[in-house]
Amino acid sequence: AQSVTQPDIHITVSEGASLELRCNYSYGATPYLFWYVQSPGQGLQLLLKYFSGDTLVQGIKGFEAEFKRSQSSFNLRKPSVHWSDAAEYFCAVGPLTALIFGKGTTLSVSS
Amino acid sequence: DTEVTQTPKHLVMGMTNKKSLKCEQHMGHRAMYWYKQKAKKPPELMFVYSYEKLSINESVPSRFSPECPNSSLLNLHLHALQPEDSALYLCASSHVGVSYGYTFGSGTRLTVV
Repeated sequence: AQSVTQPDIHITVSEGASLELRCNYSYGATPYLFWYVQSPGQGLQLLLKYFSGDTLVQGIKGFEAEFKRSQSSFNLRKPSVHWSDAAEYFCAVGPLTALIFGKGTTLSVSS
Repeated sequence: DTEVTQTPKHLVMGMTNKKSLKCEQHMGHRAMYWYKQKAKKPPELMFVYSYEKLSINESVPSRFSPECPNSSLLNLHLHALQPEDSALYLCASSHVGVSYGYTFGSGTRLTVV
């Protein structure tokens, strides 16, 4: 069965520090993988996606993610976090018809 | 135009009311989706339309009735809702097949009283 696991419910990072959000997936074939960000009361914004090619993908707002097939992981990273990055982050995996979302990780940024 | 527009942004309705949520996109996407999201939870898929035909209904109660009148418009008709249906309702669109990712609207915050 297809599933997405985000092991960290809540992470707090100091402003300017680096960030890594974890995502593990279970999917029988080559997955389509996505990271979305959601600010309070807003819809979801696509940060980046992977479905083939270079396993390190660059996204918007300075985010990147690395696909590791051997670890079934697609972790999101940012070298220096800004206060405006505080939000909910969702990893998602795509079969052909509809995305399956992880439970999300809440990112808080401390000054 | 790279947006998905949802109206209204907020809706309060009684349990005997009938209301509709509207979603519109002009990106040429032929797949459109309704998701329901409760606070601090991930979005839950409700319906998928592909080429204006309903392709997925995730066992959603009949008090929710989707409609896709044309390739740009998606409606969700609501009738006799329960307080537990209060949530953020998100519309999304994409090219058919998920490889491009979805574009989400900002949602309708629904409160059932």
